[in-house]
Amino acid sequence: QVQLVESGGGVVQPGGSLRLSCAASGFTFSSYGMHWVRQAPGKGLEWVAFIQYDGSNKYYADSVKGRFTISRDNSKNTLYLQMNSLRAEDTAVYYCAKPRFGEFLHWGQGTLVTVSS
Amino acid sequence: EIVLTQSPGTLSLSPGERATLSCRASQSVSSSYLAWYQQKPGQAPRLLIYGASSRATGIPDRFSGSGSGTDFTLTISRLEPEDFAVYYCQQYGRTPYTFGQGTKLEIK
Repeated sequence: QVQLVESGGGVVQPGGSLRLSCAASGFTFSSYGMHWVRQAPGKGLEWVAFIQYDGSNKYYADSVKGRFTISRDNSKNTLYLQMNSLRAEDTAVYYCAKPRFGEFLHWGQGTLVTVSS
Repeated sequence: EIVLTQSPGTLSLSPGERATLSCRASQSVSSSYLAWYQQKPGQAPRLLIYGASSRATGIPDRFSGSGSGTDFTLTISRLEPEDFAVYYCQQYGRTPYTFGQGTKLEIK
């Protein structure tokens, strides 16, 4: 069965960096585009970024454009999110998600990122 | 950016009652690329409906979706205790893939 396991969250100071990982299994990772979605504490869902199956195209929310970079290593079945210049408003649980066709069918359990001094 | 507005913000109902949740888009959602998700505390969201009206695998038939263009509805025909949660609509026809702010379905 499909499994997505995020890691790399933690506490970081404003202006700092963090790299999240999402280890995928149970499907042909290299055939699917992948997403990152976040949820601030007590708030709703916010789409963050998408990467095409082969890494050729990437899309970002305006709120993270220029600061976050989505990437993937198909040989390791792993999705990444490099987060730089972090702000307090980036504090959230970050989920990776695999689409069925467009809709987000499979989700990881999430990893918490806290930006605080 | 397509803004999705969900109403009501909170819906208080009893088990056995019918729930109607609304999602209105600021622009037409192409090809009905509209999904509904259920989220319970401490859990990841769960896909319920895609393509505005198709149930995801394993979703009970008391959940149904309808609508097109800018107006969409999620209906739960007869509420079960496990249905009380937060529900989000999402459009995935155009980046950024936006979510509504959510409707909290609570026990009356």
